[in-house]
Amino acid sequence: EIVLTQSPATLSVSPGESASLSCRASQSLGVNLAWYQQKPGQTPRLIIYDASTRAAGIPAGFSGSGSRTEFTLTISSLQSEDFAVYYCQQYNNWPITFGQGTRLEI
Amino acid sequence: QVRLVQSGAEVKKPGSSVRVSCKASGDTFIKYAISWVRQAPGQGLEWMGGIMPIYKTVNYPEKLRGRVTISVNESTSTAYMELSSLTSADTAVYYCGREIRHGYNEGLVGYWGQGTLVTVSS
Repeated sequence: EIVLTQSPATLSVSPGESASLSCRASQSLGVNLAWYQQKPGQTPRLIIYDASTRAAGIPAGFSGSGSRTEFTLTISSLQSEDFAVYYCQQYNNWPITFGQGTRLEI
Repeated sequence: QVRLVQSGAEVKKPGSSVRVSCKASGDTFIKYAISWVRQAPGQGLEWMGGIMPIYKTVNYPEKLRGRVTISVNESTSTAYMELSSLTSADTAVYYCGREIRHGYNEGLVGYWGQGTLVTVSS
């Protein structure tokens, strides 16, 4: 199974700054990678799919990049509502797998 | 408007089974795959499998194969996830979710159920 390694585990950033979250895959994924946001007590929310396509209703401050084994989620000008845990997910091979998550904190 | 409503919380004994339901609104149920994802307390997300209702084809991870069964009832637009031989390690919130692209079973979940807490305890 494909292993996704996210870094850092925790990222501390001030509101208004930008954040870059990394996801590395153990095998090439092409661009079959997604990012989800999860706030405490809430369901996950799809942010990015196909490595760089924003899901419906996601603001332009969220952007995804990368291909094959290296991917990045960038959040520009962080707002208070952006502080959450972010998971990457690969859907290039069965079984679908998730990274362990990056906690983005103030 | 897509809405997924899951069944309520369950408390189960070790060794028993649990079945969680997920009722979808709308008339496009058979066109979109339904995935099941679980999250143990304080832990990350684990994909448990997905079903394409129109074909009833299902994919499971090897880790859960033999213990998990995902099915659908098209007439009621309801998906089910049954997990057997429960242990304390199966204590988690179980989510159903609908695929964002019709005809695909990729686990790209754009719509989520509210989650069902399953507690396994003696």
